[in-house]
Amino acid sequence: DIQMTQSPSTLSASVGDRVTITCRASQSISNWLAWYQQKPGKAPKLLIYKASSLESGVPSRFSGIGSGTEFTLTISSLQPDDFATYYCQQYDSNWTFGQGTKVEIK
Amino acid sequence: QLQLQESGPGPVKPSDTLSLTCTVSGGSISSSSDYWGWIRQPPGKGLEWIASIYYSGRTYYNPSLKSRVTISVDTSKNQFSLKLTSVTAADTAVYYCARLMSSGSYGDHWGRGTLVTVSS
Repeated sequence: DIQMTQSPSTLSASVGDRVTITCRASQSISNWLAWYQQKPGKAPKLLIYKASSLESGVPSRFSGIGSGTEFTLTISSLQPDDFATYYCQQYDSNWTFGQGTKVEIK
Repeated sequence: QLQLQESGPGPVKPSDTLSLTCTVSGGSISSSSDYWGWIRQPPGKGLEWIASIYYSGRTYYNPSLKSRVTISVDTSKNQFSLKLTSVTAADTAVYYCARLMSSGSYGDHWGRGTLVTVSS
């Protein structure tokens, strides 16, 4: 099984900050990676697929980069609506999610 | 606008079978480009993929759950379903159904989720 490890687990930031979340795969997954945003009591929302492709309707302040085993999600200027938990998901072999990164208000 | 809605019987007793149905509206479950799947999330924890299916009936299962899970599709009702046998308290979770894009690679439309509690 492919394991996905996100860091950090929790991130404290302020509105306007640049935020970066890292996701590492236990083996190469090429660029078969998606990122989701989840707010309390809500379903996950797709942000990024194929490591760097922005889902339609997602603000351009979200970006993703990476290939192989290391990936990052960046929010260029954190907005109030962005405080949430973020998950990476590999789809190279079945599906596996990272454990999540909670972005909270500093 | 594509919408998915999970439905199920509510609380489940240990050792029983959990059964859930996802009804798809605003689109066809027989779309040649779409797969469909179930993902769950225990309270306060992360996401776990359970299973996926293509309208033709081709299935994919999480190896850790495969022995207990069956996913099926009913194209006449525009629904797909999940059965999980021999449940324990560890199966208590919010269960989400989702449309999976790009040959089942990622979920772009999700249901709101339904909490299933396993308790005697």
